[in-house]
Amino acid sequence: DAKTTQPPSMDCAEGRAANLPCNHSTISGNEYVYWYRQIHSQGPQYIIHGLKNNETNEMASLIITEDRKSSTLILPHATLRDTAVYYCIVGLHGGSQGNLIFGKGTKLSVKP
Amino acid sequence: EAGVAQSPRYKIIEKRQSVAFWCNPISGHATLYWYQQILGQGPKLLIQFQNNGVVDDSQLPKDRFSAERLKGVDSTLKIQPAKLEDSAVYLCASSRGLAGKETQYFGPGTRLLVL
Repeated sequence: DAKTTQPPSMDCAEGRAANLPCNHSTISGNEYVYWYRQIHSQGPQYIIHGLKNNETNEMASLIITEDRKSSTLILPHATLRDTAVYYCIVGLHGGSQGNLIFGKGTKLSVKP
Repeated sequence: EAGVAQSPRYKIIEKRQSVAFWCNPISGHATLYWYQQILGQGPKLLIQFQNNGVVDDSQLPKDRFSAERLKGVDSTLKIQPAKLEDSAVYLCASSRGLAGKETQYFGPGTRLLVL
């Protein structure tokens, strides 16, 4: 079973920031938080990952709480093309990423 | 850089028939994964290869599913005989690192419908 909890769906207005929450209260000290997204009829796409510190790349920012029990993926200026299912995954890094266990994710709808 | 290629994109078969899916990973990627994604759910790992060896096949229904990656490059996944519950999207992914440290890159998937 997935070790994360996400809301099933969220809406966001185009151009606004999309903040997607994820709870992972049973995360181990050596486990990372990964985010992937899946646009309709495509395979999942890697977005970002982190361990303790906040991370930022060209796609998004990842904010991890100090106790590491939850995190938030931030898309700073959502566009219609960001409409997708977003998966928050907890897993080991440096070991097999085949241990990625996908839950049902959050379906983000970006509206004009 | 070319992405992960999969074929066919769609397949419709009757139950008890056999079917095969093909995957060509990104050039140079040592690790290859096959996932099954049932409608409304996240992908579930079926099997993971590192070069031409199996790393993890614990969730592969071995009575009907088989997979191979003979030359450590492309791979085939076979179902024989198919059941109605095998209707799903079959995703192939690859990663560069031997230890799976690298990001997984997914192909577009093969959508299977078993009637």
